[in-house]
Amino acid sequence: AQSVTQLDSQVPVFEEAPVELRCNYSSSVSVYLFWYVQYPNQGLQLLLKYLSGSTLVESINGFEAEFNKSQTSFHLRKPSVHISDTAEYFCAVRKAAGNKLTFGGGTRVLVKP
Amino acid sequence: DVKVTQSSRYLVKRTGEKVFLECVQDMDHENMFWYRQDPGLGLRLIYFSYDVKMKEKGDIPEGYSVSREKKERFSLILESASTNQTSMYLCASSFVTANEKLFFGSGTQLSVL
Repeated sequence: AQSVTQLDSQVPVFEEAPVELRCNYSSSVSVYLFWYVQYPNQGLQLLLKYLSGSTLVESINGFEAEFNKSQTSFHLRKPSVHISDTAEYFCAVRKAAGNKLTFGGGTRVLVKP
Repeated sequence: DVKVTQSSRYLVKRTGEKVFLECVQDMDHENMFWYRQDPGLGLRLIYFSYDVKMKEKGDIPEGYSVSREKKERFSLILESASTNQTSMYLCASSFVTANEKLFFGSGTQLSVL
């Protein structure tokens, strides 16, 4: 069975500072990895995903995540956060040959001015 | 734009009642999912369906059932609601291939008194 661990439940950060959200997964087979974001009072939406190829993937709003197979990690980073990045972020994993998407516990990011 | 519509935003029910949560998607997606979201636990999969009348148990199916009579509609049923089923319920849909992202509804906040 696959599982996802997000190591930080909350991350307070000042505006324009960098942020890293940690995600580790376990699976015995090939997987696809995702980060979803939930802004206050909104539904979840996809931020970025890793399917294959380059281990570094980027989103349109400046986030990036790096797939590390040996450490089974998919950490999310942004070099300079904005107030509008305040949200809850969820890491998720899906077997390459499966339907089921498994989520981590989520990390709340609070960006302070 | 893809739309996943959940019939109620807020619902209050009494212990022992039978509860129906409805979800409709308009993108002809094969897969549909029901998750519950609880603070600190992230999203946990209750059931999913990959075709009409087909369903599979997720990680926490106890106390729930589902129905998918038409491709666009996926219903979650609480046979006899209990207080520990108070939660945010999220419906999602996607195309069948594992690298496809999920589209989420806005959620139904269910309170069981």
